[in-house]
Amino acid sequence: DTAVSQTPKYLVTQMGNDKSIKCEQNLGHDTMYWYKQDSKKFLKIMFSYNNKELIINETVPNRFSPKSPDKAHLNLHINSLELGDSAVYFCASSQVGAEVKFFGPGTRLTVL
Amino acid sequence: AQTVTQSQPEMSVQEAETVTLSCTYDTSESDYYLFWYKQPPSRQMILVIRQEAYKQQNATENRFSVNFQKAAKSFSLKISDSQLGDAAMYFCAYRSPRGGSEKLVFGKGTKLTVNP
Repeated sequence: DTAVSQTPKYLVTQMGNDKSIKCEQNLGHDTMYWYKQDSKKFLKIMFSYNNKELIINETVPNRFSPKSPDKAHLNLHINSLELGDSAVYFCASSQVGAEVKFFGPGTRLTVL
Repeated sequence: AQTVTQSQPEMSVQEAETVTLSCTYDTSESDYYLFWYKQPPSRQMILVIRQEAYKQQNATENRFSVNFQKAAKSFSLKISDSQLGDAAMYFCAYRSPRGGSEKLVFGKGTKLTVNP
């Protein structure tokens, strides 16, 4: 069974469009995250949610909006996509206070 | 703010030999967690090994072990008996123990090539 799943795996879109990436975890974890990996492979946290509540919001353009309908889901909506948004986006989850995070398979977003 | 530095963008090793990947970090905290993650071409982030800073003993997981030098803020990963499947990007990461600071801070990664 997949622990942390993301859809879609690949997303190709035009500049200016609005898109969403979905994330689901079946581990019963309290905390979920979005990380961005740029073209140089650098991974950086974007958001963290604990029990549907935002606890970390790094310096991310407000075109990015996470939405957590329930504890098992954390979706990422991106409005007015820009070329610089092209990256691989990883969802992750963990128990509160637990150091181990489980990562999803990543979504490669390409903005043309 | 904490930072993590991996000074080796790329490394290579012969199959069955040993390789060490270096990682240094900067923090003012005395207690924290350190990790090595592996990212193969499939893109999946896989936890390789973790170390609690309060533990003096170096963590070991089968062929993977760390050399944790707290005073030097160094956390290197040693891979013994390297296998072709070990080829991947390896990321060192730091996590603060403070509640509400759940994020991982990653280094820029080291690409490991294993030669047959």
